[in-house]
Amino acid sequence: DVKVTQSSRYLVKRTGEKVFLECVQDMDHENMFWYRQDPGLGLRLIYFSYDVKMKEKGDIPEGYSVSREKKERFSLILESASTNQTSMYLCASDPARGGTEAFFGQGTRLTVV
Amino acid sequence: AQSVTQLGSHVSVSEGALVLLRCNYSSSVPPYLFWYVQYPNQGLQLLLKYTSAATLVKGINGFEAEFKKSETSFHLTKPSAHMSDAAEYFCAVSASNSGYALNFGKGTSLLVTP
Repeated sequence: DVKVTQSSRYLVKRTGEKVFLECVQDMDHENMFWYRQDPGLGLRLIYFSYDVKMKEKGDIPEGYSVSREKKERFSLILESASTNQTSMYLCASDPARGGTEAFFGQGTRLTVV
Repeated sequence: AQSVTQLGSHVSVSEGALVLLRCNYSSSVPPYLFWYVQYPNQGLQLLLKYTSAATLVKGINGFEAEFKKSETSFHLTKPSAHMSDAAEYFCAVSASNSGYALNFGKGTSLLVTP
């Protein structure tokens, strides 16, 4: 089975901190994605990557950056955390072919205080 | 770009009743369509997907969906609801002109009452 693992289920950080959310997949997938999920807003795409060292902005990239140094790992970085970044963050991967299933991690619930 | 609209943020059905969750899409190119389910405190799990083969798609847990191009719809149905179906359901679309990134609807919370 495909496994997408996010390093933390719950995180509490202070305003202004630099925050790293890590995601690892074990199926050699080309594509990896970061979404944030908020009640009533569904999932919104922050960034995605279709290859090592490649990245594309999604719908809401402001305040975030990403890093993909290895194919299996995709990191989301909050340069200076703010309270409006309190959310559930979901990582996903897929094999980059149309119509294929994206596999999701369990999510990281981030609270910025 | 493509998008989906899910009609009804909350749907309540009685156990044993028909489940109907509505999804309409917008896409300038042939779309791929998906339904995902999310149980509390968990990630998303694929229920079913449409990939331009059969328009009636059967998924897990007794769910199915029909792709209707003329109506730009991809509604999710299940003949008889079970208590364990209570969850959040998301419709999503992807296409070649956006790198196949999924665009999600806002979700529908399904409540099943005894």
